[in-house]
Amino acid sequence: KAGVTQTPRYLIKTRGQQVTLSCSPISGHRSVSWYQQTPGQGLQFLFEYFSETQRNKGNFPGRFSGRQFSNSRSEMNVSTLELGDSALYLCASSFSGTGGAGDYGYTFGSGTRLTVV
Amino acid sequence: AQSVTQPDIHITVSEGASLELRCNYSYGATPYLFWYVQSPGQGLQLLLKYFSGDTLVQGIKGFEAEFKRSQSSFNLRKPSVHWSDAAEYFCAVGGGGGNKLTFGTGTQLKVEL
Repeated sequence: KAGVTQTPRYLIKTRGQQVTLSCSPISGHRSVSWYQQTPGQGLQFLFEYFSETQRNKGNFPGRFSGRQFSNSRSEMNVSTLELGDSALYLCASSFSGTGGAGDYGYTFGSGTRLTVV
Repeated sequence: AQSVTQPDIHITVSEGASLELRCNYSYGATPYLFWYVQSPGQGLQLLLKYFSGDTLVQGIKGFEAEFKRSQSSFNLRKPSVHWSDAAEYFCAVGGGGGNKLTFGTGTQLKVEL
C-alpha cells in the first residue's frame, strides 16, 4: 500500500510569510504526528492528531498549528515565518498511536524541506 | 521526562566489519524503543522496534538490537556492514499512549571500502 505522502517536497518562503504543509497518511491510519528536524535541535515533536483532535503537543510557539481532516489527512501551518523555522518537517502516521504492540511503529514520510530567507 | 542518549556522533567502520551503535534511554515505565535510519534528504525508515517479550529484536537489513533494562540500553548491531549502510541512525523512545517519540541526536555512520 502507498506510504506517507508529504507535499510539497521543497519550499522557499520569506520571513514574515506563512506556510502550509500537507501530509497524507497510510490508508487506514488515523494518527498523524509532525516533527521538526534541524541540525542544531535534532528531531523535535510538534503535535499529534487522531480523529481530527489534537492529542499531544510539543514545546513550540503558537505560530505552529495543525489540523486533521475527516479522511485523516493533516496539515500544519506556520505563521510569521522566522529564519529559525528553516528545517525538514516530517510527518508520521500510525494506525492508532495508542502504544499497542502491533501498532506503535510510526511510518514517516520523506518530509518537506522548508527554507526561510 | 523521557530522553535518549546516543553517545557516538560519528562512527567509521570498514565494509564487512561488525557494527554496534549505542543507545541509552530514560523513561519512567516500560519503554517502547525504536531504531530508525535516515539517508541524506530522506525521511526516517524504521529498522526495528521493541515493545515487550524477547529482548533480542530482529529488524530489516540484517540489523538487530538488544534491550537491557538493567542498563537502560537498546544497542543496535549488525555482524557485517555493507557500504549501503552509510547513513544516520536514530534511536527513539515512546510509550504509554503519549503518541510522542523522543529521539536521540543520531549517529552518523561512515563505511570505508
